[in-house]
Amino acid sequence: KAGVTQTPRYLIKTRGQQVTLSCSPISGHRSVSWYQQTPGQGLQFLFEYFSETQRNKGNFPGRFSGRQFSNSRSEMNVSTLELGDSALYLCASSQRQGPTEAFFGQGTRLTVV
Amino acid sequence: AQTVTQSQPEMSVQEAETVTLSCTYDTSESDYYLFWYKQPPSRQMILVIRQEAYKQQNATENRFSVNFQKAAKSFSLKISDSQLGDAAMYFCAYRLPSGAGSYQLTFGKGTKLSVIP
Repeated sequence: KAGVTQTPRYLIKTRGQQVTLSCSPISGHRSVSWYQQTPGQGLQFLFEYFSETQRNKGNFPGRFSGRQFSNSRSEMNVSTLELGDSALYLCASSQRQGPTEAFFGQGTRLTVV
Repeated sequence: AQTVTQSQPEMSVQEAETVTLSCTYDTSESDYYLFWYKQPPSRQMILVIRQEAYKQQNATENRFSVNFQKAAKSFSLKISDSQLGDAAMYFCAYRLPSGAGSYQLTFGKGTKLSVIP
């Protein structure tokens, strides 16, 4: 069974640009969550999508958005990039049932210059 | 809001020895899940062990075991017979049951474990 796939692995963008990150969950998993990881703030929850609907959202500005497609693949978008958006963005997929854990992708390393 | 605290930013252990990583959490809920995740330099988060709050028995997975103290809101991870491959960042995480609506993981800041040959 293929794992969680995130693309691209690395990305360098300029301040003010926008970026789109992609996440393909494990087959059969309908929940996709996104996390931002930085040395200072650690791992912070961005949002979760389940069955194409955003179920909850973390404390991030509106520049951070996402969506989920009918095949459960998810994208997150960051507009008007700021230097502070430089981080590792992790995607996690799960079945959203019982004690099942979240499976993580290898992340996308975003650098804003 | 739930919070997770890992008070040891860094720890080291000799190969083949035992080490315990600490984690405390704060919640007003009675039903929840606790996890330990490992993040090696490859960056991929890997589940180490899981504990369901309604189960009194401590979870065990091979060389990894937990000491779950619900009243004290403590969830420590013990690694026995440490191996070089255990070197990584370890994150303690908390989650509510899926029926509670929010499915997000709340993470601690992590503990960087070094294994000395």
